[in-house]
Parts: sequence; structure tokens; C-alpha cells
Amino acid sequence: IAGITQAPTSQILAAGRRMTLRCTQDMRHNAMYWYRQDLGLGLRLIHYSNTAGTTGKGEVPDGYSVSRANTDDFPLTLASAVPSQTSVYFCASSKTSGSVGELFFGEGSRLTVL
Amino acid sequence: KQEVTQIPAALSVPEGENLVLNCSFTDSAIYNLQWFRQDPGKGLTSLLLIQSSQREQTSGRLNASLDKSSGRSTLYIAASQPGDSATYLCAVRGDSSYKLIFGSGTRLLVRP
Repeated sequence: IAGITQAPTSQILAAGRRMTLRCTQDMRHNAMYWYRQDLGLGLRLIHYSNTAGTTGKGEVPDGYSVSRANTDDFPLTLASAVPSQTSVYFCASSKTSGSVGELFFGEGSRLTVL
Repeated sequence: KQEVTQIPAALSVPEGENLVLNCSFTDSAIYNLQWFRQDPGKGLTSLLLIQSSQREQTSGRLNASLDKSSGRSTLYIAASQPGDSATYLCAVRGDSSYKLIFGSGTRLLVRP
């Protein structure tokens, strides 16, 4: 089934550790996004990529980095995790970063930082 | 700055009822608006996408309307079923913007 695959599904992590959340899509979408979802704050954009080789900062980029070496993969890295990064992380993609694109989401990665 | 509001925050209805979920946005200069459904512990599932030039979109029992001038969209669910219970979110894509601005969602419970 075509779509977005995220890994891991959930993870408990000690503060200060490095963590990479993986995201792969097989829809050949140009644009990809990372959101975090927190109770009371809704969905907030962390980083995005309009096309392979380019990335940009969203609303809450501090403490996170991304790379887009190819069309399919868009990993999110926490260089040194902190408890405030405890959240559910969603990867999303759209066919174009322009006005038309419908956004599709993965199932999420639940991260707990202790 | 675009702000998206969804009212009510929660709604409980008996099975079979027709219902309307509301979404309002402050900046009418949008490219499109998308409605999503989210089940507990799951990702978001796209329901309907309305382009700025459109007035409504329909999929099965769902109908979404868009009134840019008043900054409103509604999601109409006909003949509600317990399986419709979920959180419904709307999101707008602004003018020349890469990102969607999300509302906080309406949590719907359809009672058997």
C-alpha cells in the first residue's frame, strides 16, 4: 500500500541522547514535512522540504535538524534530546509545495524524553 | 498572521443525526483548505481538499463548503454513525505559503 512509513512507532529516550526519526514515502511527492502534535498546542511545523536537496525551517525548528538526500526519505534528528521534545511526531508529504497539493500523513512516532 | 479556529471543541450526537462542524480563519487570502480526520493514537487522514476557487467538495456522506469572503468552512456529515467518532481538523494553506495552519480540532462522539 502506497503511503508514508515512519519509524520507530514509539521510543523512550534519555535526555541528552541523539535520536533520528525516519520517514519514507513511496508516492514520489516533491514536498515533505515534519510536524509535532502536543495537547493544547495542536500541530506545529518543525521543518519542511520543497524538493530533494532543499530544506527549510518551520514554526518550531530549534533542537531539530533534517536532511533530504533523495525524494523518498526525510529523517528528523534530535541532536541532544530534552524533555520538552516529548511529543508525537508526524511526517507528511504533498505532491507539490505549491497551492494545489493535498497533504498526506504518516501514522506518527511517539517520543518520550526522560 | 493566519489563525484557524474550530468550534465546538467537542460534540456528542446520537447515531443517525446530521451534523455540521465549523472552521473559521482570519486571513481570507488562502490557496486551499483541507479537512482531516484523526483517530486516537493514529495519524491524520485527508477527507476533503477545497481549492480557493471552489465552493464545496463532496465525498460520500461528507460535504465541505468554503466561503473565503467570510473566512469560514463547514464540514457536513450526513446520517452520522459510531464509526465517525474521531477528531476532525481543518487546515488552511495561505497565500504563497508552504505550510498548513491547523485548527485545534473538534472531537466528535457518535453514540449508538
